[in-house]
Amino acid sequence: ETGVTQTPRHLVMGMTNKKSLKCEQHLGHNAMYWYKQSAKKPLELMFVYNFKEQTENNSVPSRFSPECPNSSHLFLHLHTLQPEDSALYLCASSQDPLESYNEQFFGPGTRLTVL
Amino acid sequence: DQQVKQNSPSLSVQEGRISILNCDYTNSMFDYFLWYKKYPAEGPTFLISISSIKDKNEDGRFTVFLNKSAKHLSLHIVPSQPGDSAVYFCAASAQGNKLVFGAGTILRVKS
Repeated sequence: ETGVTQTPRHLVMGMTNKKSLKCEQHLGHNAMYWYKQSAKKPLELMFVYNFKEQTENNSVPSRFSPECPNSSHLFLHLHTLQPEDSALYLCASSQDPLESYNEQFFGPGTRLTVL
Repeated sequence: DQQVKQNSPSLSVQEGRISILNCDYTNSMFDYFLWYKKYPAEGPTFLISISSIKDKNEDGRFTVFLNKSAKHLSLHIVPSQPGDSAVYFCAASAQGNKLVFGAGTILRVKS
């Protein structure tokens, strides 16, 4: 596997379910990110992890719970979601969290539908 | 309030001609700008970037222009190819690793 991978690619869940999204980066990067992309809206940054420590929580509701066990893996735990949470969830990574001139590399995303 | 705006939701260009995608920003603290391309069912892929100390950066068929006084940047693709058809996102950062994205412009290159 190369680059940034995400599983599952598609997920349908009910509002009472608990599920988790997984992201893995094979690039040796030190920063990882979760983004949400709703239809016809800009990508919204949700969480940032630098060297496994959460450095940004962009006012995300508590029904989204991130976890970063190591610098290569990032999870997004979901529980009691709402239909408006249906979106494409993208994971990204970058080399050096202290350097702004670093492009971010994205995974293919998980298309989430909440019924 | 969107700090990065792409006012054209879509653009259609004939193969071989120039494609010009535009982006405006409001935060004067932004010092690094990027363009990403996204195909359906794939994540965005990095295309080209420019720092605020430059006004132009070129990479093959892709050139990004930055006008700091107007808070405007543009991506030129020439010649345009059918494989360039995708959604193009403009993004900016202000001395950190937090990117702010525009809503994207759908480019269609007709053969």
